[in-house]
Amino acid sequence: EVQLLESGGGLVQPGGSLRLSCAASGFTFSNYAMSWVRQAPGKGLDWVSSISAGGRRSTYYADSVKGRFIISTDNSENTLYLQMNNLRAEDTAVYYCAIPQVAGKGRLDYWGQGTLVTVSS
Amino acid sequence: QSALTQPPSASGSPGQSVTISCTGTSSDVGGYNYVSWYQQHPGEAPKLLIYEVSKRPSGVPDRFSGSKSGNTASLTVSGLQAEDETDYYCSSYAGSNSPYVFGTGTKVTVL
Repeated sequence: EVQLLESGGGLVQPGGSLRLSCAASGFTFSNYAMSWVRQAPGKGLDWVSSISAGGRRSTYYADSVKGRFIISTDNSENTLYLQMNNLRAEDTAVYYCAIPQVAGKGRLDYWGQGTLVTVSS
Repeated sequence: QSALTQPPSASGSPGQSVTISCTGTSSDVGGYNYVSWYQQHPGEAPKLLIYEVSKRPSGVPDRFSGSKSGNTASLTVSGLQAEDETDYYCSSYAGSNSPYVFGTGTKVTVL
């Protein structure tokens, strides 16, 4: 059974940093592309970043986080990360990690429960 | 990449059908057959309902169906049930640099 468990959310001041983790199990981690999707309170879904499958993974970012966020994986620990720097109030959201089926495009089949990030002074 | 446009709300009586539209551009919805739909209940993670325009993952009832014409995709929920009252989001692939462009979301009410 595929399981995705996010952690690392919390309260941080504007300009601060936070690292989110997503512990994965139930599938061959390196074979799957992985993504972060966020949802601000009372708002819609917003794609943040994706990392491709394989040993040498390519990374992709939404314009709103490019240059501030870094997505990475530890294939030995089956963990996805999102390093968030220079945080802004508008980054306040629940952050979900999600994956498609293998080789699936434009679809997110499995989601974690989410972790809340609050950026406020 | 701009969000796809969905109506804020839609409604129908139990047993009836409701259709939700999702309008994009030729760079996303119109350019790829990679439109997905998600259902999200309050406080829960989204659930995949439809992928590749009209395909249903295992376990999703056939009351949920998807289609596309030009730059607009649609989700139809037939035989509305009380548990269908919640939020729905579309999403489209828009190239490797924008793999997921989400819609603005639609709240479905069962009257």
